[in-house]
Amino acid sequence: GGIITQTPKFLIGQEGQKLTLKCQQNFNHDTMYWYRQDSGKGLRLIYYSITENDLQKGDLSEGYDASREKKSSFSLTVTSAQKNEMAVFLCASSDTNQDTQYFGPGTRLLVL
Amino acid sequence: GDQVEQSPSALSLHEGTDSALRCNFTTTMRSVQWFRQNSRGSLISLFYLASGTKENGRLKSAFDSKERRYSTLHIRDAQLEDSGTYFCAAEAGGGSGNKLIFGTGTLLSVKP
Repeated sequence: GGIITQTPKFLIGQEGQKLTLKCQQNFNHDTMYWYRQDSGKGLRLIYYSITENDLQKGDLSEGYDASREKKSSFSLTVTSAQKNEMAVFLCASSDTNQDTQYFGPGTRLLVL
Repeated sequence: GDQVEQSPSALSLHEGTDSALRCNFTTTMRSVQWFRQNSRGSLISLFYLASGTKENGRLKSAFDSKERRYSTLHIRDAQLEDSGTYFCAAEAGGGSGNKLIFGTGTLLSVKP
């Protein structure tokens, strides 16, 4: 088994601020993902990475940067927080030979 | 773009009853995954299917193997702990990474 940890659990920022969310996994999975979930809605893909130092844009990449510093970690940066950036950000990982994605507990972002 | 249509959006069941959730896909999908999200926001993977059916306790999922354009999740003998939001997510295939397209979720409430 393995685990995905996300930090922080809650993040409060100011409008216009640059905010970074972190994700770690010990599954030794190749692929990692960042999703955004707005209240009462499904998940939308922001960025994903198929290996260390790789970065691929998802459907919602504008306004975000990401970095796959090493295989086990994938960080997401909100480049300039906006009032409508109140959402839950979920990190996931998968092994390229198996297709199931495993999710972290999420980071809840609130912009004041 | 490719879409996942999930129904119903909300469902209220009495304990002990059966029901089914459904996801329709606007195009042929390679695989489908079903998740349950609890009140704290954690996403738990229930099933991953590339074809056919899978069963786990009171839950059973099926993925249309012919045209690969819909999937169902059956809940038998619903219990209070089944309450939560259920998401299906489908993978269109092609390209790199396991990009999932999420449905908008079914909010299930099981009552005594």
